[in-house]
Amino acid sequence: GENVEQHPSTLSVQEGDSAVIKCTYSDSASNYFPWYKQELGKRPQLIIDIRSNVGEKKDQRIAVTLNKTAKHFSLHITETQPEDSAVYFCAALNQAGTALIFGKGTTLSVSS
Amino acid sequence: NAGVTQTPKFRVLKTGQSMTLLCAQDMNHEYMYWYRQDPGMGLRLIHYSVGEGTTAKGEVPDGYNVSRLKKQNFLLGLESAAPSQTSVYFCASSYSRGSGNTGELFFGEGSRLTVL
Repeated sequence: GENVEQHPSTLSVQEGDSAVIKCTYSDSASNYFPWYKQELGKRPQLIIDIRSNVGEKKDQRIAVTLNKTAKHFSLHITETQPEDSAVYFCAALNQAGTALIFGKGTTLSVSS
Repeated sequence: NAGVTQTPKFRVLKTGQSMTLLCAQDMNHEYMYWYRQDPGMGLRLIHYSVGEGTTAKGEVPDGYNVSRLKKQNFLLGLESAAPSQTSVYFCASSYSRGSGNTGELFFGEGSRLTVL
């Protein structure tokens, strides 16, 4: 089945710096790669996603890149702000395309 | 429009007791999921359903059972709770994008279960 590895597990940056979180997946047939943000005590929420027919997608300060050959994708946050502090999860579809398999998460701390 | 609602939100059980978590969604989504979240382990898929009357196993199905008798409801049962099942449980639902592919997951608020 699909396996998703996520690194790093924790990331601390200064306000204004950039943050990068990387994920690898195992199933080459997977074609959908979302990122979820979970603030403390809250539910996970989708922040950006990418499908396998594009290599990069941007939404204001966040961007996701996908390398299908290497089977990895990354989340980039520029000009980080304290409100970006949260746990971020990457995910990929299972073999049947019917469920998301998540990475173990990255705790991002942005200090002002 | 409540979205995804989970009940109960908190529960303490003794080892060996049984309980059921209820998930209800009002978005007419085809797909529903149960995940558990443990520190350092991320979100792990327990069971899921791609439609009324169907269920499938996820990554960590042992010790749990599920039922999807109505499209809007997805029940997660623990027949004989164990301390290893202490966790935060999240239900989620999504629409089908066609060809069996799921779209964005909409999560409930979570249910914190403690097994003593």
